[in-house]
Amino acid sequence: DTGVSQDPRHKITKRGQNVTFRCDPISEHNRLYWYRQTLGQGPEFLTYFQNEAQLEKSRLLSDRFSAERPKGSFSTLEIQRTEQGDSAMYLCASSLTSSGNTIYFGEGSWLTVV
Amino acid sequence: AQTVTQSQPEMSVQEAETVTLSCTYDTSENNYYLFWYKQPPSRQMILVIRQEAYKQQNATENRFSVNFQKAAKSFSLKISDSQLGDTAMYFCAFVGGATNKLIFGTGTLLAVQP
Repeated sequence: DTGVSQDPRHKITKRGQNVTFRCDPISEHNRLYWYRQTLGQGPEFLTYFQNEAQLEKSRLLSDRFSAERPKGSFSTLEIQRTEQGDSAMYLCASSLTSSGNTIYFGEGSWLTVV
Repeated sequence: AQTVTQSQPEMSVQEAETVTLSCTYDTSENNYYLFWYKQPPSRQMILVIRQEAYKQQNATENRFSVNFQKAAKSFSLKISDSQLGDTAMYFCAFVGGATNKLIFGTGTLLAVQP
């Protein structure tokens, strides 16, 4: 069990550029979540997948954000035309099936938009 | 809608002492799960303890225990024999009902003083 891994860990980009983050969940986990966290705040839910199906999206996920999980394994989160307000830590997490099962988090991908 | 409230933004405790972090939540669900997560300065979110709402017995994990009061919708975390490594942000979180997403409180920053 290698845990949830995220790449890159840090990304600095210029406003208006596109960025993509990758998440590899724990191998047998069928649910995958994306959260956003800003300094001093708790994580905010963005979206989650069960296998390859995207089952829920937050209103925080604007049209510039898109997430995919094409084969039900790894996932990508793309932000198009980045804005300074997108600067945050993007956390990925995974779990098994039922809502009671524990959700495990990766180390996060820190985005700075300059 | 479910909400999680942590009313203590910061707390401090002396090494080897006991500290209690407060959490209240609001839900109309009867079946749900509650969690405490720890986020040290390295920023990876680590599960500390979890509680199933249908269980009356309070969960314990070594030096960590909870006081779960379902009627009062209260879920406090007690840390005994505090250690310097316990210094971190602690988040209370809820999952339940039709949604499978974790809802977080705003966190309590705990500082363990030598």
